[in-house]
Amino acid sequence: DTAVSQTPKYLVTQMGNDKSIKCEQNLGHDTMYWYKQDSKKFLKIMFSYNNKELIINETVPNRFSPKSPDKAHLNLHINSLELGDSAVYFCASSQDRGNLGQPQHFGDGTRLSIL
Amino acid sequence: DAKTTQPNSMESNEEEPVHLPCNHSTISGTDYIHWYRQLPSQGPEYVIHGLTSNVNNRMASLAIAEDRKSSTLILHRATLRDAAVYYCILRAPKGSSNTGKLIFGQGTTLQVKP
Repeated sequence: DTAVSQTPKYLVTQMGNDKSIKCEQNLGHDTMYWYKQDSKKFLKIMFSYNNKELIINETVPNRFSPKSPDKAHLNLHINSLELGDSAVYFCASSQDRGNLGQPQHFGDGTRLSIL
Repeated sequence: DAKTTQPNSMESNEEEPVHLPCNHSTISGTDYIHWYRQLPSQGPEYVIHGLTSNVNNRMASLAIAEDRKSSTLILHRATLRDAAVYYCILRAPKGSSNTGKLIFGQGTTLQVKP
């Protein structure tokens, strides 16, 4: 009964390839997020969707495109992968009732390695 | 973005209390103070949050200074499983450009010795 699940857990691929990471939450939350954690362990938000609508879009290359088919899913597609994309990508979700106390629930991450 | 300052690392003995400090002198009146932790090879985990009053839950306690410029996360009895990176984060109000963002700093790496 995993709350926020990401697939795959590990992804090893060649530079220049296109890949997708999937995220699903079964908490009934209406807001989902993607974060990137680099080799220095800094966690930074990339995107956020609320009820399938993009609400946060940080300065992320256009090669990264999030897609939310419904409010329980937020997938991340990456085109033309580069060495610098190697990182751990975390998906998260929260219930946005307008009260900012709502915690975010994170998945266990997808470890992306570019060869 | 309002910033937080935490010590890079702390050590504790098992079964003793741990006080993890956080300074946030530029906090605005409506910023919530959130604490998350990240265990090795896992995603961040919510610990506790508060606005002005001290808060307690099953994981920890949060003590917030009267002027809100600092806070302390208190683990009442540290266990080996509490060894993690602890992040103190300010979360901006709805309607600001930072709505929903968790802006992670470097955090405090807590080591728990048996």
